[in-house]
Amino acid sequence: DIQMTQSPSNLSASVGDIVTITCRASRSIRSWLAWYQQKPGKAPKLLIYKASSLESGVPSRFSGSGFGTEFTLTISSLQPDDFATYYCQQYDSYSDTFGQGTKLEIK
Amino acid sequence: EVQLVESGGGLVQPGGSLRLSCAAFGFTFNNYAMSWVRHAPGKGLEWVSSISNSGDTTYYAESVKGRFTLSRDNSKDTLYLQMNSLRAEDTAVYYCAKRLRYREDAFDMWGQGTMVTVSS
Repeated sequence: DIQMTQSPSNLSASVGDIVTITCRASRSIRSWLAWYQQKPGKAPKLLIYKASSLESGVPSRFSGSGFGTEFTLTISSLQPDDFATYYCQQYDSYSDTFGQGTKLEIK
Repeated sequence: EVQLVESGGGLVQPGGSLRLSCAAFGFTFNNYAMSWVRHAPGKGLEWVSSISNSGDTTYYAESVKGRFTLSRDNSKDTLYLQMNSLRAEDTAVYYCAKRLRYREDAFDMWGQGTMVTVSS
């Protein structure tokens, strides 16, 4: 199975900050990576697919980049609604795997 | 309204069985591959199983292989997950999720989740 390692696991930031979350794959997954936002008690929400494609309806302050084994999610100007847990997901193989999550908290 | 609605969760003893259902509304169900993803308390997301749009191909995580069976009824726009020989470590919120376009793809639609608790 492909292992996905996210960093950091926890992140404290303020409204207006720029934040970056990293996801590393144990082998190349080309561009087959997605990012999700999850709030407590809610289902995950798709933000980015194919490493850098913004899902319809997602604010443009979210962006993704990367190819192969290293990927990043950037939030360009944090808003109060952005405090949540973020997960990456690889779908290069039929056996999807998720990163362990990054909890983004208000500083 | 475009949505997925899960049902069938509950409390079950170790070794018991449950069948989860996921009803699809507002889109052409038989055009899309579907999956189940679970979220155990205090842990991250875990992919459980996937099925092709026609239902002829299924995949399972090693942790559930041989115990869980995924199927779909395209005439009823419904996905099923039969869970047998349940263990405490299967305790989680189970989400059904729709693939964006392809059999291996991101998940662009999720249900609200159904809780499965395995405990004596």
